[in-house]
Amino acid sequence: NAGVTQTPKFQVLKTGQSMTLQCAQDMNHEYMSWYRQDPGMGLRLIHYSVGAGITDQGEVPNGYNVSRSTTEDFPLRLLSAAPSQTSVYFCASSLYSPGQGDTGELFFGEGSRLTVL
Amino acid sequence: DAKTTQPPSMDCAEGRAANLPCNHSTISGNEYVYWYRQIHSQGPQYIIHGLKNNETNEMASLIITEDRKSSTLILPHATLRDTAVYYCIVRGAGGYNKLIFGAGTRLAVHP
Repeated sequence: NAGVTQTPKFQVLKTGQSMTLQCAQDMNHEYMSWYRQDPGMGLRLIHYSVGAGITDQGEVPNGYNVSRSTTEDFPLRLLSAAPSQTSVYFCASSLYSPGQGDTGELFFGEGSRLTVL
Repeated sequence: DAKTTQPPSMDCAEGRAANLPCNHSTISGNEYVYWYRQIHSQGPQYIIHGLKNNETNEMASLIITEDRKSSTLILPHATLRDTAVYYCIVRGAGGYNKLIFGAGTRLAVHP
């Protein structure tokens, strides 16, 4: 198993450009999420999904869109990049969904480092 | 959602036990305490979690006070590879989709 795979690992954008950060997992996990981490800070939840076709907002959703058309993939879209979105983005997945019992163990990808000029 | 308070940084000598405290005084009865760590710039790694009882696995032990208002993560024999940021998290209402990470404790293990 590859686990949680994020692409690209590094990206530089100009203000106003759009792009998609890809996240894929091969563990058949129902739950997937996106976090961002700014320098010296903890992780903040952007969006999450508890299954295909279901998404919801986290703490800091503004400026980001997500969709979940398959169990495996959970892309994060920046429609019009801003310098404030310069950050490291982590995708995470877990086996269970809330209410069905879970270990709380999130599996994280290696991160995507985005710079917006 | 219950919030947590952790010291921003701690030091530990290699081979000694590292005891990382966490305060979660507003925790509710059905909320779990989770610990993750982040080594350098990697993605966070799950360590352990618990509800009421003390827990132990191959990585660490988790001691939760009887009133559940605080907990301690214990790394019994710290190594240089344990240098990382450690996050104490209380699962928010509605399940772990509300797993909120704070600033954590930066643990430095010295030779």
